[in-house]
Amino acid sequence: DTGVSQDPRHKITKRGQNVTFRCDPISEHNRLYWYRQTLGQGPEFLTYFQNEAQLEKSRLLSDRFSAERPKGSFSTLEIQRTEQGDSAMYLCASSVAATNEKLFFGSGTQLSVL
Amino acid sequence: DAKTTQPPSMDCAEGRAANLPCNHSTISGNEYVYWYRQIHSQGPQYIIHGLKNNETNEMASLIITEDRKSSTLILPHATLRDTAVYYCIVSALIQGAQKLVFGQGTRLTINP
Repeated sequence: DTGVSQDPRHKITKRGQNVTFRCDPISEHNRLYWYRQTLGQGPEFLTYFQNEAQLEKSRLLSDRFSAERPKGSFSTLEIQRTEQGDSAMYLCASSVAATNEKLFFGSGTQLSVL
Repeated sequence: DAKTTQPPSMDCAEGRAANLPCNHSTISGNEYVYWYRQIHSQGPQYIIHGLKNNETNEMASLIITEDRKSSTLILPHATLRDTAVYYCIVSALIQGAQKLVFGQGTRLTINP
């Protein structure tokens, strides 16, 4: 399968713990996006990378959240000191830069903070 | 906030055409209309997009009104596997990248 891969699929953690998610984009896709989705809502944009540069961050991305994309390949999203409100599906998408680009999404990481 | 308005839910019989409407009355001249769908427990899947002209691909057809204030996604022969939440999105470019602003979408149920 050459689609966007996310790991883990599910994560259960206790409040206050740190968690890290990984996203492997489609190879040769130079853009990578992170979205968050809560139950019954559409996905919300968090941040995006062009190659290794993080070019935009949503105000939703508090300072407890950090994302990296070293070498412009895979990306990680870390949440420090998790809170119950962080419980959500975290989706990664990748694309090739274009005026009318199409995003290819992974299946997401479902985070539950107890 | 999402720049589109969609009905929250729709039903369609298997084998019939499913027509999903979307209003985007504040769309700008250079903004595209995108449709994605999300099947339960999966990430969103790109379906189709358009600027002014009607578009068709192997999945669906997109009809955009002449004033571009609304559009309709057509699934010509709906199957049970088309049951999903369908999102109509007007693209917002940030430094040239696609910042998709999803609304709540239309939950389409295909009935046998």
